[in-house]
Amino acid sequence: DVKVTQSSRYLVKRTGEKVFLECVQDMDHENMFWYRQDPGLGLRLIYFSYDVKMKEKGDIPEGYSVSREKKERFSLILESASTNQTSMYLCASRLGGANEKLFFGSGTQLSVL
Amino acid sequence: AQTVTQSQPEMSVQEAETVTLSCTYDTSESDYYLFWYKQPPSRQMILVIRQEAYKQQNATENRFSVNFQKAAKSFSLKISDSQLGDAAMYFCAYRGIQGAQKLVFGQGTRLTINP
Repeated sequence: DVKVTQSSRYLVKRTGEKVFLECVQDMDHENMFWYRQDPGLGLRLIYFSYDVKMKEKGDIPEGYSVSREKKERFSLILESASTNQTSMYLCASRLGGANEKLFFGSGTQLSVL
Repeated sequence: AQTVTQSQPEMSVQEAETVTLSCTYDTSESDYYLFWYKQPPSRQMILVIRQEAYKQQNATENRFSVNFQKAAKSFSLKISDSQLGDAAMYFCAYRGIQGAQKLVFGQGTRLTINP
């Protein structure tokens, strides 16, 4: 089965730090996504990518950027972490096509102090 | 923009009973896909069931079935013979076939199974 790996399960950072969240998938998927999950709000899309070096803003991109230099890796960057970015971050990937299944990583719980 | 609403933040059911989780959505598209995902305490999102809007027949996967009402824009999940392993957060999600094809999620429903 497809494996989507997020580099950290838990992360604690200080306000103002630059934070990198890494995501790697092993099945040559074109599409990769970053979501954040907050209680009562569900999952909200931050950024997604259709291919290497391509990126599209999701619904809540402010305060975030992304990098996709290789097909298998999609990084989420918090340029200057703030306390309101404390959240669960989920990475996902899939092949092209709207009916294709989305595969998720296990999430990174980020706390910004 | 498409929206997905789950109006039940929490639900509970006795083991072996049946429970229905509600989901409504808003879209101007005529063709799209709907999904139910399960997130157990391990945090790993698991696809439970998928429905294509152009299919009138409701999708079924073992103990899980949906009631898809396209005109009412309703997509509820029925879990029969509930088991302790069904305890999780359940998310309803929508994806159109045009444009970005991004997955839009509802707020989630936390399901508790009482032994």
